Amino acid sequence: NAGVTQTPKFQVLKTGQSMTLQCAQDMNHEYMSWYRQDPGMGLRLIHYSVGAGITDQGEVPNGYNVSRSTTEDFPLRLLSAAPSQTSVYFCASSYDTTDTQYFGPGTRLTVL
Amino acid sequence: EDQVTQSPEALRLQEGESSSLNCSYTVSGLRGLFWYRQDPGKGPEFLFTLYSAGEEKEKERLKATLTKKESFLHITAPKPEDSATYLCAVQAGTGRRALTFGSGTRLQVQP
Repeated sequence: NAGVTQTPKFQVLKTGQSMTLQCAQDMNHEYMSWYRQDPGMGLRLIHYSVGAGITDQGEVPNGYNVSRSTTEDFPLRLLSAAPSQTSVYFCASSYDTTDTQYFGPGTRLTVL
Repeated sequence: EDQVTQSPEALRLQEGESSSLNCSYTVSGLRGLFWYRQDPGKGPEFLFTLYSAGEEKEKERLKATLTKKESFLHITAPKPEDSATYLCAVQAGTGRRALTFGSGTRLQVQP
């Protein structure tokens, strides 16, 4: 099992550009989520999904979109990047909403 | 609103010098309290889940305990390889079931 994988590892964008952060898991987990991690702050939930075709907003959803067309993949889209979205992004997955969440290696995003 | 506060922010120990990290929390109906370890440039790595007050779990030099208001991560005779940031998170029993994280304790163990 590869676990939770994320691509790219690093990305630099200019303000206004759009991009998609990829997340995949091979553990047949139903629950997937995206967090961002900023210095001095805990990880904060952006969006989550309890299964294919079902997504919902987390604590800080503005400026981000998600979709879940398959169990394995949960991409995060930045529609129009802003410097405030400079952060490290982590994807996590678990068997269901009550199980332990396992994290990917992260994507470090810089928006100039 | 669920809240998690970790202390201290940073801790420097000598190899073999035992200590404890604190995680204070407020949550509406605790479903679980989680401890993760995070190395620089890596994702959080799961350590423990605690479900109810009085519960304890151990793994090598680490022992996690839970009360109704806080959790402690005890590190016994630490080694340099224990150096990392330790994250605490709580999950409520209702709602989104998302994890609410503290900002972490940065541990450095010197040889």
